Amino acid sequence: ETGVTQTPRHLVMGMTNKKSLKCEQHLGHNAMYWYKQSAKKPLELMFVYNFKEQTENNSVPSRFSPECPNSSHLFLHLHTLQPEDSALYLCASSQVVGLAGGPGTQYFGPGTRLTVL
Amino acid sequence: AQSVAQPEDQVNVAEGNPLTVKCTYSVSGNPYLFWYVQYPNRGLQFLLKYITGDNLVKGSYGFEAEFNKSQTSFHLKKPSALVSDSALYFCAAGGGADGLTFGKGTHLIIQP
Repeated sequence: ETGVTQTPRHLVMGMTNKKSLKCEQHLGHNAMYWYKQSAKKPLELMFVYNFKEQTENNSVPSRFSPECPNSSHLFLHLHTLQPEDSALYLCASSQVVGLAGGPGTQYFGPGTRLTVL
Repeated sequence: AQSVAQPEDQVNVAEGNPLTVKCTYSVSGNPYLFWYVQYPNRGLQFLLKYITGDNLVKGSYGFEAEFNKSQTSFHLKKPSALVSDSALYFCAAGGGADGLTFGKGTHLIIQP
């Protein structure tokens, strides 16, 4: 479980705050992902970074801004959030292509529990 | 577009009995299918995947899944359930540059 780490584990913020979530992977992978897990919806893909380039933005509001400075680190910058953005934010990493062909297995961090007041 | 359905919100099984958690999928192209488990306040843990080859896939903690192309299903199974198997289970499809599409999850409750 230490292959993908996320900080902080818990975050409470007001709607006018700016904060950032951090993810680091120690698995030598070349792709990283942000997912949102909320109580009333299935896990939703937010962003995909493939070799540090963003390849997927799943219609995410601009108040969420991702950054991938290198293949081991991924950030999610938050500003002017709404209470409905409260959720568990999960980071994952993988090889884009696995050893047996097809997509590599995604390994997940423990998540950041975000509460927006 | 692809989708994953887990028709049961909750599955209850007595300890020692076999368990099945159902998953059906709809994808265009080759189906790449995964099962993950989530314990309270934890991230998702990978259990097993189907990429190609044998329809019966074996994974972690004694779990296995059967890929059935004609029924577009990928049900998770275990011959003998343990109380410690109680958790939230997710089926997913896709991956790679497109990310994963998840089902809504199934709560598995193993009763002593």
